[in-house]
Amino acid sequence: DAGVTQSPTHLIKTRGQQVTLRCSPKSGHDTVSWYQQALGQGPQFIFQYYEEEERQRGNFPDRFSGHQFPNYSSELNVNALLLGDSALYLCASSSILTGGAAEAFFGQGTRLTVV
Amino acid sequence: DQQVKQNSPSLSVQEGRISILNCDYTNSMFDYFLWYKKYPAEGPTFLISISSIKDKNEDGRFTVFLNKSAKHLSLHIVPSQPGDSAVYFCAAYSSLVETSYDKVIFGPGTSLSVIP
Repeated sequence: DAGVTQSPTHLIKTRGQQVTLRCSPKSGHDTVSWYQQALGQGPQFIFQYYEEEERQRGNFPDRFSGHQFPNYSSELNVNALLLGDSALYLCASSSILTGGAAEAFFGQGTRLTVV
Repeated sequence: DQQVKQNSPSLSVQEGRISILNCDYTNSMFDYFLWYKKYPAEGPTFLISISSIKDKNEDGRFTVFLNKSAKHLSLHIVPSQPGDSAVYFCAAYSSLVETSYDKVIFGPGTSLSVIP
């Protein structure tokens, strides 16, 4: 049983560009949350998708957007990249039926570097 | 405004001894608390949780204690093993407020080193 998979694992982009990160949730999970983890900090909640809709959102600007597909996989898009967007982006999946955020499973993350 | 705080960035413990990791929170609406462990180059892994209706939850070598009046929780690992060396994140969310449900707030983490 594959866990949460994220692609790509590493990415280098130039300031002002746009980036798309992808996440496939663990089998049986229907909810995907995205987090940004800056160096030396804990993960910060960006948003959560369930039933192809954004269900919750953290304090991130509109440059951060997402999408969930019918197969529950998800994308995180960031427009007009800033140097400060350099971070590890984590995807977590969970099941609404078994408690949502509790016991979420994380992917290994995508390391985004903006130069 | 950090709602979940872990004031010790690092902790070193001898193998076999007890590790105690502390966490404080400020948001009184939090009613569910989680601990995650993270190894380098891996995503965080769920370890143990506790809801606000309890003051203790135990799972093998791991026990979490919750003191609601002090808005403080701690994770005890007994006995500590070298494989426990990792970054530990405390996290919390509120199931009571619709706009906050499942919006998990993480602390900055504590790096635990268990010395053989």
